[in-house]
Amino acid sequence: EIVLTQSPATLSLSPGERATLSCRASQSPTSYLAWYQQKPGQTPRLLIYETSKRATGIPARFSGSGSGTEFTLTISSLEPEDFAIYYCQQRTNWVLAFGGGTRVEIK
Amino acid sequence: QLQLRESGPRLVKPSETLSLTCTVSGGSMTNYTDYWGWIRQPPGKGLEWIGTMYYSGTPYYNPSLKSRATLSVDTSKNQFSLKLKSVTAADTAIYYCARYIWGSYRDNWFDPWGQGTLVAVSS
Repeated sequence: EIVLTQSPATLSLSPGERATLSCRASQSPTSYLAWYQQKPGQTPRLLIYETSKRATGIPARFSGSGSGTEFTLTISSLEPEDFAIYYCQQRTNWVLAFGGGTRVEIK
Repeated sequence: QLQLRESGPRLVKPSETLSLTCTVSGGSMTNYTDYWGWIRQPPGKGLEWIGTMYYSGTPYYNPSLKSRATLSVDTSKNQFSLKLKSVTAADTAIYYCARYIWGSYRDNWFDPWGQGTLVAVSS
């Protein structure tokens, strides 16, 4: 069973700063990686799919990268609306898993 | 555009069965790339995958819930459902339904999601 470990658990940054979020898989997944953003009281929203492709309407400041068991979500310059929780998600064979989430909070 | 909406009881007693339905509108449930899934989120915690299924295939379940969860699809009503038996307080969560994209071997993402429904397990 795949386990996705996200780090750090909390990232305290100021608007305009660069955010780098990590997602590490316990084994090589069979699928691409997806990232989701969840704001307080809201439904998760697809941010990145196929490891590096932005979903419809997602600004270019969001980018995804990685391969094997190490993946990264980068927000190049934080906007006020980017402070939220971010989850990674993958599939290995027939089992899906989410990471525990990284909270990006205002410093 | 595709929209999903969960419905079902908001309160379930311990040891009973939680039953939720997701109604899909604005599109077909039988596209070859589209699977249908359930995800839950206990209050203040992270996301947990429950299960996913193709409209005409075998469901796939989270191993930790497999013995208690049952997914089904009814394309005539454009709905899919979740049943979770023998619930306890630990099953209290927001339950989301979502479309899962799995058109090719490496495809893997949920989009869109339903708004979610909070189900409490309490006597």
